[in-house]
Amino acid sequence: DAKTTQPPSMDCAEGRAANLPCNHSTISGNEYVYWYRQIHSQGPQYIIHGLKNNETNEMASLIITEDRKSSTLILPHATLRDTAVYYCIVRSYGSSNTGKLIFGQGTTLQVKP
Amino acid sequence: NAGVTQTPKFRVLKTGQSMTLLCAQDMNHEYMYWYRQDPGMGLRLIHYSVGEGTTAKGEVPDGYNVSRLKKQNFLLGLESAAPSQTSVYFCASSSGGLQNTGELFFGEGSRLTVL
Repeated sequence: DAKTTQPPSMDCAEGRAANLPCNHSTISGNEYVYWYRQIHSQGPQYIIHGLKNNETNEMASLIITEDRKSSTLILPHATLRDTAVYYCIVRSYGSSNTGKLIFGQGTTLQVKP
Repeated sequence: NAGVTQTPKFRVLKTGQSMTLLCAQDMNHEYMYWYRQDPGMGLRLIHYSVGEGTTAKGEVPDGYNVSRLKKQNFLLGLESAAPSQTSVYFCASSSGGLQNTGELFFGEGSRLTVL
């Protein structure tokens, strides 16, 4: 599975959009981009995933560049409860996959009042 | 709906003691995983299982053993605990095969201290 690079930390003002970047320049054609977050040492929580099209759900939006070498997770209106470590993970998809995820260091997002 | 449940949630051991962490899931998931997380670090995969009766090594398997005798349970054992195994342990599960969307469901964590 391809490796990812994320900034170690970011700040965001409450109510503003939080844009978290991820670089995955070695991603291959059958690999998806997944985002998880971990709030204050709780178990990680799935946010969203995508292949090449932009994706949106009730939590966030995922923007993947056309060459798929980078992506951005967008929290449209960040709240204090969004303060967490955000992990960008690249993983292949399909029936032969064991489902395991390899976590990096992630980005610590601090939402400030 | 309990999801993924880990027991115990806290444990203190002395060096050389043994213990077992239990993970139970009620979502009928095929795949289960054990991770550890050291302070300020990301999660590292210890062992995983893609079905009842099967297990496989992850990134950091040394010093741990696992068993998956029942589909809903995944046990992590420490035969002779060492201070380096002081960590927070997370269990996770996911659906398998064509239904595998990559979404893992995590437990609350088990905090282990080895003195």
